[in-house]
Formats: sequence, C-alpha cells, structure tokens
Amino acid sequence: AQSVTQLDSHVSVSEGTPVLLRCNYSSSYSPSLFWYVQHPNKGLQLLLKYTSAATLVKGINGFEAEFKKSETSFHLTKPSAHMSDAAEYFCVVSSKTSYDKVIFGPGTSLSVIP
Amino acid sequence: NAGVTQTPKFRILKIGQSMTLQCAQDMNHNYMYWYRQDPGMGLKLIYYSVGAGITDKGEVPNGYNVSRSTTEDFPLRLELAAPSQTSVYFCASSYQGARNQPQHFGDGTRLSIL
Repeated sequence: AQSVTQLDSHVSVSEGTPVLLRCNYSSSYSPSLFWYVQHPNKGLQLLLKYTSAATLVKGINGFEAEFKKSETSFHLTKPSAHMSDAAEYFCVVSSKTSYDKVIFGPGTSLSVIP
Repeated sequence: NAGVTQTPKFRILKIGQSMTLQCAQDMNHNYMYWYRQDPGMGLKLIYYSVGAGITDKGEVPNGYNVSRSTTEDFPLRLELAAPSQTSVYFCASSYQGARNQPQHFGDGTRLSIL
C-alpha cells in the first residue's frame, strides 16, 4: 500500500536559520508529490508540486524541494526561516490506483523562534 | 474571487442529531473533495466528486452522505452524529484530478459532537 512518512512531527528553528522538513514515500511507480502549508485555523495552501519534470522544484515564499527517486524522498527546505513560516506542513503523494486521489502525510509542525 | 467557501465555521452537535456542512466553489472546478482532519493523522478522504451528478467514496465514508447537483456545490450530510465524528472538515476543489492538479481548500468546519 502507498504511504507517506513525515519523519518529524515537530521541528523548531530559530529565525534566519535553514529549514528542513523531511518526507519519504513508498511507491512502486513515479508519483506526483506536493507540499501544502496550513496556518492556524486556515485551510491548506499549495507550496509546490513535482510532476516528473525538474527534480528540484521551487515553490512560493522561498521554499523548494528535491525529488530523489533512489531515496524515495521529497524533503522541503528553505534557506532562512521567517516568523510567518510557523505552520503545519503536509507532504502529499498521488495515488497509484486513482487519478483522482492523493494521500496525505501526518504533517510536521514548524515553530520559528525569534 | 471567493475560492472555496465552507459554512458553518464552527458547530456543536448532540449525539444523534443531523446536519449538513456546506461547500461552494466559484472556480468552475470539476472535482470536489471532502476530508476530515484529526490530530496527528493528516487528512483522510471521506467522499469526492468528479462532476455534477457523480460521487464516490473515499477512505472513511461511513456515517456520511454527499450529493452534487451543481458544479458549484458539494454538501456533506451527517445523519446520526457520533462522538467519533468530532473533527475538522475540509472541502477542496480542483480543475482536474488531484494527481496533477493542486487542490484549493476552504478554511474548514470545526465540528464537536457531545
């Protein structure tokens, strides 16, 4: 069965330091991959997506992610954290069996310390 | 441009009561989805629709019903509320299937069943 693992349930960084949010997926085919962000009491917003084009994907607000097939990973990074980055982040993988569905990881909560 | 609008934002129900969560989108998207979000669990798909008049079950459909009579609206019905349905419910839409198209989310309905 397909699954998405987000290796850290909570990450805390200081403002101005790099952010790394880790995501691994299990899939026997080449999936589409997404990162979404959820600010408190809000819906999810797309940060970036990978759909078999360039392996390094740039998203909004300075975030980027690299697709590594050999490691089945899609880690999210940002060079310098800002206070406004504090939120919940979800890694999402497309379903092998359905064009219509995706599978959400459990989420990583990012705290940014001033 | 409103995007995806969910009503109500908050609701408290008693066990056994029924209610309808409303979802409307103004982007002329074909696909619409209902998810529930429980702490530490990511989002789980309840039902989805690929167009007016067409609906299908997701991972956790028990206790819920949906209909899609128009492109714009996708209400979710709880017939006999149970404490296990306490959750945050998100509606989402996309132009095509979620594999390749980002989903646009509403701000959620926070539902407590006591």
